[in-house]
Amino acid sequence: EVQLVESGGGLVKPGGSLRLSCAASGFTFSSYSMNWVRQAPGKGLEWVSSISSSSSYIYYADSVKGRFTISRDNAKNSLYLQMNSLRAEDTAVYYCARDLEFPFDIWGQGTMVTVSS
Amino acid sequence: DIQMTQSPSSLSASVGDRVTITCRASQGIRNDLGWYQQKPGKAPKRLIYAASSLQSGVPSRFSGSGSGTEFTLTISSLQPEDFATYYCLQHNSYPPMYTFGQGTKLEIK
Repeated sequence: EVQLVESGGGLVKPGGSLRLSCAASGFTFSSYSMNWVRQAPGKGLEWVSSISSSSSYIYYADSVKGRFTISRDNAKNSLYLQMNSLRAEDTAVYYCARDLEFPFDIWGQGTMVTVSS
Repeated sequence: DIQMTQSPSSLSASVGDRVTITCRASQGIRNDLGWYQQKPGKAPKRLIYAASSLQSGVPSRFSGSGSGTEFTLTISSLQPEDFATYYCLQHNSYPPMYTFGQGTKLEIK
């Protein structure tokens, strides 16, 4: 079964850091571009970052550029999001999602990040 | 940046109704558009890709159309499990700056 499972969310103070992980299974992880998408409580979906299959191409939304770093370890079938200088407006459920020719065909269940003092 | 304007923001309908949701792009995006369904507390699920291609396993009552700047998602006969929030997504821009529409909450009348 194709599956993505996020972890690493939690409560963090403004200015703090957090590292999210996404474990992939049921498909050849190294063949696919991957993404992070977030959703603030009661709000819509916002694309955060993308990384190509070999990590050659990396892109960020302007709202996180310079603060967040996406990476992957194909040997471990894992995707990561290092989040630094966190702000209250980063509070959201963070989803990892796969690209299969077109974006976001498979999604994880999400992990909640709360930035609050 | 490409902006996506989705309408309506909410919609009340009955089981069996035909429903249409629209997304307009601020500039032409060919057919680089998908539609997603999200139920409360759950991850989104892709319904349509490339504007009109039905995702495997999605019921045929869902259909998408459009190209360029105007796109529609149609549900031909609403079923109880279709009450959810729907989002469009454009992926035409380069470098990638994927943009979702604001969402349409479909509620039971």
